Amino acid sequence: DSGVTQTPKHLITATGQRVTLRCSPRSGDLSVYWYQQSLDQGLQFLIQYYNGEERAKGNILERFSAQQFPDLHSELNLSSLELGDSALYFCASSVDVGELFFGEGSRLTVL
Amino acid sequence: GENVEQHPSTLSVQEGDSAVIKCTYSDSASNYFPWYKQELGKRPQLIIDIRSNVGEKKDQRIAVTLNKTAKHFSLHITETQPEDSAVYFCAAPKGGATNKLIFGTGTLLAVQP
Repeated sequence: DSGVTQTPKHLITATGQRVTLRCSPRSGDLSVYWYQQSLDQGLQFLIQYYNGEERAKGNILERFSAQQFPDLHSELNLSSLELGDSALYFCASSVDVGELFFGEGSRLTVL
Repeated sequence: GENVEQHPSTLSVQEGDSAVIKCTYSDSASNYFPWYKQELGKRPQLIIDIRSNVGEKKDQRIAVTLNKTAKHFSLHITETQPEDSAVYFCAAPKGGATNKLIFGTGTLLAVQP
C-alpha cells in the first residue's frame, strides 16, 4: 500500500460525458501528479500540483482540468469524453523532488 | 524536447542471465534519474534511483549507471529471476525544481525459467 488513494477504481461511461477522478495523497506529501497510461503505452505526464498551486503542465488536453484542494486531495476532471480517452489514470504524490508514490489507478472505459 | 528515450521496448532473457535497459534524456539540467517497475495490473513502484553527483548505484541485484556527458543512464539486473518479469520505466525530470517527471516508453522484461 503506497498510501495514495484513488477513486473510483473502475469507471465506464459514454462518449460526450464528463467524469471526475479523485486522489488523496500520502499524509505529508504536498505534491500531486496525474499520469495517463493507455493500453501498451507509457506514463504520460498530465499535470502537477504543489500545495494547491499548479506547478507543471504536460500534454493535458483542454477538455481535461485538475485542481488541488486545501486538504491536498486532488481531482482530475475529464469532459466531452472520447473513445481515445479510455486509459488508466494514475495519481502519484511526493514530498519534493524524489520518489513518486503511485495510487492503484482509476481505469476509465469510454464506450 | 522533453523526450526520454528508452531501449529496448521488449527484452527476453533466460533465468540467471543479466538484463540491461538503456535510457537517454535531453534536458541537461536533469539531476535525478529513477527507475520504476510495473508488474501486470499493478501500480509503478520505484526500484532504484540515482542523482547526478554519482556515476553508479547498486542495490543487491540491481544497479544504475549514469553518464551525464552523454546524457545516458542504464538499469542493470543481474541473476534475473522470473519475478523480475515486468515493465520497467526510466524517468528524468524536466524543468529543474518543478519535478515534472517524464517517463520513458517502458521495457517489457520477460525472464524465461
